[in-house]
Amino acid sequence: QVQLVESGGGVVQPGRSLRLSCAASGYTFSTYAMHWVRQAPGKGLEWVAVISYDGNNKYYVDSVKGRFTISRDNSKNTLYLQMNSLRAEDTAVYYCARAKVEVVVIGPIDSWGQGTVVTVSS
Amino acid sequence: DIVMTQSPDSLAVSLGERATINCKSSQSVLYSSTNKNYLAWYQQKPGQPPKLLIYWASTRDSGVPDRFSGSGSGTDFTLTISSLQAEDVAVYYCQQYYSVPPGSFGQGTKLEIK
Repeated sequence: QVQLVESGGGVVQPGRSLRLSCAASGYTFSTYAMHWVRQAPGKGLEWVAVISYDGNNKYYVDSVKGRFTISRDNSKNTLYLQMNSLRAEDTAVYYCARAKVEVVVIGPIDSWGQGTVVTVSS
Repeated sequence: DIVMTQSPDSLAVSLGERATINCKSSQSVLYSSTNKNYLAWYQQKPGQPPKLLIYWASTRDSGVPDRFSGSGSGTDFTLTISSLQAEDVAVYYCQQYYSVPPGSFGQGTKLEIK
């Protein structure tokens, strides 16, 4: 079955960087778009970024554009989120998630990891 | 950007009764060339990641009980639980995937037992 395991979260000072990873297994990683979705403490879900199956297309929510970079290594079945210039408002649980439909970027999300916690605080 | 607004913010329903959650988008999510509504519903239980319940506004995902149903088109959508079970206590979110970025979510509706 599909398994997504995030890592790399932690406590970081404002302005610093962090890189999240998501190890995928149980399916053909290279044929599905992948998302990052976050959830601030006690708040709702916020979609952050998506990358196409081949890594050629990437989209971001406005609040992270220019600071976050989504990438993938299909040879390692791994998704990444490089987060620079972190702010207090980036504090959240970050979920790695898989698109339901192969190849296409546009579509629902059908598999989620358990999340990794990022805390931005001085 | 498309803004998704859910109502109510919270809801208490007796076991075995019907629960109805609404979701309104700021613009239509019906894609004319496919005649599909680009709208999904998710369930999130405490301490867990979200789970896909419904996509294309009315298609149940694999393994989702048939007491869950989705309806609506264009800008107005509804998630209905026909007979509430104790395990349905959760927060429910709608999401549009018509316009990416972003794949915006509604603010969530907390469902409790009365």
